[in-house]
Amino acid sequence: DAGVTQSPTHLIKTRGQQVTLRCSPKSGHDTVSWYQQALGQGPQFIFQYYEEEERQRGNFPDRFSGHQFPNYSSELNVNALLLGDSALYLCASSYSTGDYEQYFGPGTRLTVT
Amino acid sequence: GQSLEQPSEVTAVEGAIVQINCTYQTSGFYGLSWYQQHDGGAPTFLSYNALDGLEETGRFSSFLSRSDSYGYLLLQELQMKDSASYFCAVSRGGGGNKLTFGTGTQLKVEL
Repeated sequence: DAGVTQSPTHLIKTRGQQVTLRCSPKSGHDTVSWYQQALGQGPQFIFQYYEEEERQRGNFPDRFSGHQFPNYSSELNVNALLLGDSALYLCASSYSTGDYEQYFGPGTRLTVT
Repeated sequence: GQSLEQPSEVTAVEGAIVQINCTYQTSGFYGLSWYQQHDGGAPTFLSYNALDGLEETGRFSSFLSRSDSYGYLLLQELQMKDSASYFCAVSRGGGGNKLTFGTGTQLKVEL
């Protein structure tokens, strides 16, 4: 049974560019959450998708957007990249009724230069 | 808003017991989770408390006091592989629920 997978593993972008990160949830899970983790910090909630809709959102600007597909996979898009967007982006999947136990993917390390 | 406080670092010797504390301030508290993250790895779920008291899972136990807005993770029979960062995280209810993580405690296990 495959766990949560994310692609790409690493990414280097230039300030002002746009980036798309991808996530496939653990089999059977229907909810996907995205987190940003800066070095030495805890993961910060970006947003959560369920039934192809954004269900909750954290304190992130509109430059951060997402999508969930009918097969529950998800994308995170970030526009107009800033240097401060450099971080590890984590995708986590869960059942809609048990969100406290989330299964995290290995993350995408984004570096903005 | 929500805030969680944890010690930034804890050091212990192999075979010992260590306790990592977490105090939180939040509206609409539902439960407290604990996650482990090794350097370069993904956070992995360890334990969850929705009710007051102790939950035991092998060498790991977690405690919650809702009235004190306080919880802790207890690790027994420490092993070198337990060296990692440990995060407490607050959830505010099932369905559409997000996790708010603390800043993490780096545990170093020494020989």
